[in-house]
This record gives sequence, C-alpha cells and structure tokens, in this order.
Amino acid sequence: QVQLRESGPALVKPSQALSLTCNVSGVSVNNGQYYWSWIRQHPGKDLEWIGYIYYTGKTYYNPSLKSRLTMSVDRSQSHFSLNLNSVTAADTAVYYCARSIGLRYFFDIWGQGAPVTVSS
Amino acid sequence: AIQLTQSPSSLSASVGDRVTITCRASQDCSIDLAWYQQKSGGPPRLLIFDASSLQNGVPSRFSGSGSGTEFTLTVSSLQPEDFGIYYCQQFNQYPLTFGAGTRVEIK
Repeated sequence: QVQLRESGPALVKPSQALSLTCNVSGVSVNNGQYYWSWIRQHPGKDLEWIGYIYYTGKTYYNPSLKSRLTMSVDRSQSHFSLNLNSVTAADTAVYYCARSIGLRYFFDIWGQGAPVTVSS
Repeated sequence: AIQLTQSPSSLSASVGDRVTITCRASQDCSIDLAWYQQKSGGPPRLLIFDASSLQNGVPSRFSGSGSGTEFTLTVSSLQPEDFGIYYCQQFNQYPLTFGAGTRVEIK
C-alpha cells in the first residue's frame, strides 16, 4: 500500500525558512513512473500547487513561489523535501505531498497533510 | 495561469438527489481535468481524471463530462457519505490550478 507522510515543524517564525519532508512507503521514490508534488491549502480552503520533483532531481516550481522555493529528493532514504524561504503569514497553510503518474499531473495519492503556522 | 470557476459554491441536497457541479476554465484545457472530494480534516481524494475517467474504487454514481472550457461532475444519487467539498483541477498548463471548491451538504 502506497503511503505518503509529511513531517516538519508546525510553527515557523516570519522571515525564516519552512522545511518539510515527505516520506514515501510502498513504492520507491526512484520509480520513474511517478512525479512528486507539494500542494498547500490555505485556511480559506483554497488549494495551491507548489511544484513537483522527479527522481532525477528535475523540478518545476509554481512561478508565484519560485524565487523562494527549493525541492530535493533523497533517493536512498525514499523521501523528498520542500524548503520555502522568507516566509510570511501568507504561507500559513496545510502542506500536502502527493503523487502523480507520468506526465498526467493529477494526484492519485496524498499525504495526510502537515499544518504549518507562520507566527512570531 | 488558467483560472477555474466552480458553481455553485455550495449546495444542499437530499439523499437520492441528482447533483451537478460545474467547472469553467478560462482557457481550453482539452480533457486535462480532475475532480476531488475532500472531507473535513483529510486530504482530497481523486474521483475523476481526464474529465470522465473514474478512479479505481470510486462508486459509479460519480461521473464526469466535458472538454475544452466547461466540465461537470455529477452524482447520480446522492448518498449520506457524499458530503464534503469538491474541487476541480486542470493539468493542461503550468502552473497546475484548482477551483475554489463546491461545498455539498446533505439535507
């Protein structure tokens, strides 16, 4: 059974970096069939796609976040990560990791979500 | 970015009712559209992809149709467990985008 699980701090101070990890089980993150995305849901319930990473390290970032965003993949540990710099209150959200299949960028498997609050 | 407009924003219906939700895209998406259901406290669940293909394990009362800029999700006979928020998502162009959601309540 494929499972994704997000982990990371629930509280981040303004201007600092938000770092999250998604642990993948039941399938290898090295499987070339899949792309791995981050998606966030703001308190008002709007969903925003953040970007994806492929096992080769290839990425595509949402232009709205590109200047502050870095994603990475650890193929040996079967997880991938998100780093978002210079956060503000507008980055407060539930962060999900999710899987898509090949170049069909809809999401068939999601993690349970990691709530992150940006506050001093 | 492609904007997706869902209507209605919320609805209340009785068990057994036929329910239809519309998603309109600001640009042609072909059939590159998915539908999700989200229940409180949980992640979205994929229902439909490629506008009309039913995801494995999703009840057949759910169906999708449309292409281009207009899409619909239909629940043929609403069940008590179908409450939640429904979202459309386009994957035709970057950045991938979602609609604002339709809240479905059971009367």
